[in-house]
Amino acid sequence: EPEVTQTPSHQVTQMGQEVILRCVPISNHLYFYWYRQILGQKVEFLVSFYNNEISEKSEIFDDQFSVERPDGSNFTLKIRSTKLEDSAMYFCAVLEQGGTDTQYFGPGTRLTVL
Amino acid sequence: AQSVTQLGSHVSVSEGALVLLRCNYSSSVPPYLFWYVQYPNQGLQLLLKYTSAATLVKGINGFEAEFKKSETSFHLTKPSAHMSDAAEYFCAVSAAMDTGRRALTFGSGTRLQVQP
Repeated sequence: EPEVTQTPSHQVTQMGQEVILRCVPISNHLYFYWYRQILGQKVEFLVSFYNNEISEKSEIFDDQFSVERPDGSNFTLKIRSTKLEDSAMYFCAVLEQGGTDTQYFGPGTRLTVL
Repeated sequence: AQSVTQLGSHVSVSEGALVLLRCNYSSSVPPYLFWYVQYPNQGLQLLLKYTSAATLVKGINGFEAEFKKSETSFHLTKPSAHMSDAAEYFCAVSAAMDTGRRALTFGSGTRLQVQP
């Protein structure tokens, strides 16, 4: 099972500030995903990323969000100007290496926007 | 379009009793189906998956699920509940296309409580 770490584990920010959430898979992967879970709600898909391009994105993933792999290993989610409603748990996931059907999730980053 | 319905946001069983968590899906294309478990303050851990092979799939910790196309269901069961099974369980579906790299659509989750 692929190992995925996420930093920070908890981020507190003021409304309107930019935040960057990081995902570090231990081994090489080609497909990356971001999901979020607002407290008490279901897990929602944000975006998938393959070969340095966005592969698929949801309606939630608007112009305030961006993703990139700045150094070939980290996978980041940036929120340019945070809103109160961005407060949620953000999960990174990677596709099983060599496999084609299973996503493995990191422990998540809890984002709190004040 | 895909969707998942999990009947029962909370399920309580006694230790040693059967666990049954219900999941129904809707998909316009052949689905892949997954069950994930989330322990308090932790991420999502894969329990088991159906990817068009055997319809009865076995996962970790003694859980299993059966894919029933006619009923569009993928219910999760465990013969005998253990206290450590207390957690939130999520059913998820993705399209069986693009070799399964599509986004997951999750249900609302079912919180399982195990009474001593």
